[in-house]
Amino acid sequence: DADVTQTPRNRITKTGKRIMLECSQTKGHDRMYWYRQDPGLGLRLIYYSFDVKDINKGEISDGYSVSRQAQAKFSLSLESAIPNQTALYFCATSATSGNHYNEQFFGPGTRLTVL
Amino acid sequence: AQTVTQSQPEMSVQEAETVTLSCTYDTSESNYYLFWYKQPPSRQMILVIRQEAYKQQNATENRFSVNFQKAAKSFSLKISDSQLGDTAMYFCAVTTGGGSNYKLTFGKGTLLTVNP
Repeated sequence: DADVTQTPRNRITKTGKRIMLECSQTKGHDRMYWYRQDPGLGLRLIYYSFDVKDINKGEISDGYSVSRQAQAKFSLSLESAIPNQTALYFCATSATSGNHYNEQFFGPGTRLTVL
Repeated sequence: AQTVTQSQPEMSVQEAETVTLSCTYDTSESNYYLFWYKQPPSRQMILVIRQEAYKQQNATENRFSVNFQKAAKSFSLKISDSQLGDTAMYFCAVTTGGGSNYKLTFGKGTLLTVNP
């Protein structure tokens, strides 16, 4: 079973629609992240959360919002989607101690297309 | 702001040969972590290797090894005995944020193609 899951895996939507991308994890990690990947730009951080009550903006948070519903769940919303939000979106988690300290574990990604 | 630079957008290598991917970064922090991630056509992000900046010994994982030059802020990845399954996009990443609160800054990636 996957440790970090994302739903949906692929989504096509229209300009102006509200859309939510969901992320769930069974790794027991406190820290969760949302990134977007665009060709030639690498991964850029949208939002991150170090625990349920702590949410922080990343470098490209405009046009996005998040909700940390529980330790295991972190959702990303596009309130009014626009075409330049077409991208591959990744959720990731990380531990605060142990052998994998500071290593991020990624979900399978969501391919979002905004028409 | 922290930056991570991968100067080779694309590279190719023959199967069984060795290839080195370069990465340089800029940070003002004294301790940090460095990673190489692989993204095959399946688009899954897979950790290849990690290095802790306070450790002088270069990390090794089977056919993958790094050349970490802290003073030069360089973190290159060497792949030995390249295999067709190594064909992927490779991303270098460095932690930022200091202390126990950190984020990852990624380079723009190097697309590696292994030819038969």
